[in-house]
Amino acid sequence: DAGVIQSPRHEVTEMGQEVTLRCKPISGHDYLFWYRQTMMRGLELLIYFNNNVPIDDSGMPEDRFSAKMPNASFSTLKIQPSEPRDSAVYFCASSFTGETQYFGPGTRLLVL
Amino acid sequence: GESVGLHLPTLSVQEGDNSIINCAYSNSASDYFIWYKQESGKGPQFIIDIRSNMDKRQGQRVTVLLNKTVKHLSLQIAATQPGDSAVYFCAETSSGTYKYIFGTGTRLKVLA
Repeated sequence: DAGVIQSPRHEVTEMGQEVTLRCKPISGHDYLFWYRQTMMRGLELLIYFNNNVPIDDSGMPEDRFSAKMPNASFSTLKIQPSEPRDSAVYFCASSFTGETQYFGPGTRLLVL
Repeated sequence: GESVGLHLPTLSVQEGDNSIINCAYSNSASDYFIWYKQESGKGPQFIIDIRSNMDKRQGQRVTVLLNKTVKHLSLQIAATQPGDSAVYFCAETSSGTYKYIFGTGTRLKVLA
């Protein structure tokens, strides 16, 4: 198995632009998590899904952030409009049970 | 002005020595805990977990200890190797949810 796949690996954009981050979980995993990691705040859970349904989105910073999981093999995290303070590394992780999570390599986002 | 980021505590150990990394968790209701290892430029990697009905759990070269009285978790690494150099995070959650809260992390440096 290729593990969790995230794209793009790096994204540089200008303030106000829409950013879409993508994730392909490990096949057969029913849970998918989106995290954000910054020097200021460390690693934070944004949202997680179970069987494609959002279970807890209380970590989503504000309405500019949205996440979808249209099927078991694909999820997106969208930021619209993006702001410089959104600059961070965004990780996707998947899990069979919700416990042992397998993280992707992350997307490093820089908003200028 | 200069931004203030998280100051990661650093533990430096000689190769071959044992390492002990500590974590104070925040929620007395948390009953499931995980240790992750994060190497530079990569996503966190699951190391070992423990439930609150246990005080100790052992894996390959790693042991996790849980002290619920003082809300303290530790990770012991035996015969530390250069490949163990990384940032180590603890994470906690409580039953019925997978809304994990991560600690700030400890950087482990293995000296040759």
